[in-house]
Amino acid sequence: GENVEQHPSTLSVQEGDSAVIKCTYSDSASNYFPWYKQELGKRPQLIIDIRSNVGEKKDQRIAVTLNKTAKHFSLHITETQPEDSAVYFCAASIYGGSQGNLIFGKGTKLSVKP
Amino acid sequence: EAGVTQFPSHSVIEKGQTVTLRCDPISGHDNLYWYRRVMGKEIKFLLHFVKESKQDESGMPNNRFLAERTGGTYSTLKVQPAELEDSGVYFCASSLQRGATDTQYFGPGTRLTVL
Repeated sequence: GENVEQHPSTLSVQEGDSAVIKCTYSDSASNYFPWYKQELGKRPQLIIDIRSNVGEKKDQRIAVTLNKTAKHFSLHITETQPEDSAVYFCAASIYGGSQGNLIFGKGTKLSVKP
Repeated sequence: EAGVTQFPSHSVIEKGQTVTLRCDPISGHDNLYWYRRVMGKEIKFLLHFVKESKQDESGMPNNRFLAERTGGTYSTLKVQPAELEDSGVYFCASSLQRGATDTQYFGPGTRLTVL
């Protein structure tokens, strides 16, 4: 089955710096890769996702890149702000298939220091 | 629109007792998923309903866990009898029909502590 590895487990940056979180997946059939942000005590919220027919997607300060050949995808946050502090989870699944469950990485705790 | 809701938000029980968790998905969402995060590890899939039918229950740990989705609306997850290793945060998520969009919207979770 699918396995998703996520690195680093913790990341500390200064406000204004960039943050990068990387994930690898094992199942070449996976074609949908969402990223969730979970603030302390709150629900995981989708912040961006990408499907395997594109290599990059941006939304303001957030971008995700996908390398299908290498089976890895990354989350990039530019100009980090204290409110970006949270746990970020990457995930993989098969879009449009009969099995819709997400396979998650172990999460990255991002701390943005003012 | 109202998001996914879960009840209770916290539950503390003793080993051997029974607990029932409830999830109300977003109205109109056919797909309902249960996930669990144990002790700061990854969020792990438990099972998937399409309307009232179990589409995939390959993630259920053992037969002490029973999930139902009567009438294809809300879902319950019962743990009987609870063991110490069942402690964790149980999340429910819902999504629209397959093929339309795969965005899964998560509930706030139920934190289960088994003593």
